[in-house]
Amino acid sequence: DSGVTQTPKHLITATGQRVTLRCSPRSGDLSVYWYQQSLDQGLQFLIQYYNGEERAKGNILERFSAQQFPDLHSELNLSSLELGDSALYFCASSGATRNTDTQYFGPGTRLTVL
Amino acid sequence: AQSVAQPEDQVNVAEGNPLTVKCTYSVSGNPYLFWYVQYPNRGLQFLLKYITGDNLVKGSYGFEAEFNKSQTSFHLKKPSALVSDSALYFCAVRDENNQGGKLIFGQGTELSVKP
Repeated sequence: DSGVTQTPKHLITATGQRVTLRCSPRSGDLSVYWYQQSLDQGLQFLIQYYNGEERAKGNILERFSAQQFPDLHSELNLSSLELGDSALYFCASSGATRNTDTQYFGPGTRLTVL
Repeated sequence: AQSVAQPEDQVNVAEGNPLTVKCTYSVSGNPYLFWYVQYPNRGLQFLLKYITGDNLVKGSYGFEAEFNKSQTSFHLKKPSALVSDSALYFCAVRDENNQGGKLIFGQGTELSVKP
């Protein structure tokens, strides 16, 4: 158990809908990262927050957004969902933002868009 | 641009034999290298990392990895494979010049250990 929690574990929804994925980092970790894992794209970095502020952005679609709250938990919002958004979404956390920091991953949320 | 390659989609090993999962990388600055393992329906678990120092890094569950700067490789090894090692293995890299902290992952290698 990495100490990173994600809810829900599974999410099934329809095209055009909006969903929110939640992540709680390990105790004391200030950085949260979101990744998407799909069969065709592999593991792709989406976005990083550090202590409430956006720190880095990857190939995140405009339909997707995220935020980190004062208690350091983070939410990833996916809207106008398409079939291709079906994937496993991981959250990871680390203590700070040093490049040497280890990122610890949560169990993921499996999103299925029908 | 940073990149990671895992040239083998699948590696098959008999239990008790040594295993190697290959990884090569490309970065502009000094690399920080990581190995993760993913069991079915689970998240990624951290195995080990190379930051600096000794080229042979020891990690969890008896795994180790050898950093080779001239060959830009970071192969994962274990002297004696277990059936329970069967899983998906990911190599990842960060460039020292990358201020964002994101990890660049390889495509993954499926390790199958047969009794």
